[in-house]
Amino acid sequence: NAGVTQTPKFQVLKTGQSMTLQCAQDMNHNSMYWYRQDPGMGLRLIYYSASEGTTDKGEVPNGYNVSRLNKREFSLRLESAAPSQTSVYFCASRDSLLRGQYFGPGTRLTVT
Amino acid sequence: AQKITQTQPGMFVQEKEAVTLDCTYDTSDQSYGLFWYKQPSSGEMIFLIYQGSYDEQNATEGRYSLNFQKARKSANLVISASQLGDSAMYFCAMREGASGGSNYKLTFGKGTLLTVNP
Repeated sequence: NAGVTQTPKFQVLKTGQSMTLQCAQDMNHNSMYWYRQDPGMGLRLIYYSASEGTTDKGEVPNGYNVSRLNKREFSLRLESAAPSQTSVYFCASRDSLLRGQYFGPGTRLTVT
Repeated sequence: AQKITQTQPGMFVQEKEAVTLDCTYDTSDQSYGLFWYKQPSSGEMIFLIYQGSYDEQNATEGRYSLNFQKARKSANLVISASQLGDSAMYFCAMREGASGGSNYKLTFGKGTLLTVNP
C-alpha cells in the first residue's frame, strides 16, 4: 500500500515548456486534489476532482489543466510553464468517510 | 479576508514542555471542519487531528489536542511533552460545508514553524 505517489520528485523546465505531473493513489479514494506550496503562502488549491469523471477549479487554476484519468490517477498539466509556477506541488486524496486528506510526497518544480 | 489565520510565524519550546499553536478561522457556515497538518523538513504533509464544528468535545490524538473555542472561532493545537521530532511547520486548515459533501476543499493557513530545543 503505497498511499499517494507523485512523479517526478524534481523537475526543471524552461519558460514555455510543457509537462505533466502524475499522481496516483491506491486507497480507492473518491476525491483527489492538486495544491501548490509557495514560501510564506501555505498550500493553495489548484484543481480538485470530487469523484471520477469530475474536475473543478480551486483557488489558483490559471495556467494549469487536469485530467482525472480513472479513480486512481489525477494528473496536472502545465501547457506553457512560467517562472511564477516555480513551486512545490502536492497531490492529495480523500475517501468520503475520512476526515483528513492524505498527501503525496510532493514535486519540486523550477521554471527558469 | 483570510479564512485561516496563524499569527505565529515561529515558536520555540523546550523539550518535554507543552506548546500551543494558534489558529483562528472565519466562516459563515454552520457545518465545517478544522484540521492540523505537520510538515517536517523532509517536506511531506502529515495529517494530525480533526475537529468538526458540531463535535462537543475537543479532539485528542495522543500528544496532540485541539482547543476548540467556537464562539471565538479559534482552533489551537496543543502539543504536550514536546519532542525534538516535533520540530516542523504546522498548518491549520478548514473545510467549509458538511463533511459528507462532494465539494470538499481545504483552505490552509500560512503555517507556524515550531522549533523544539533540547
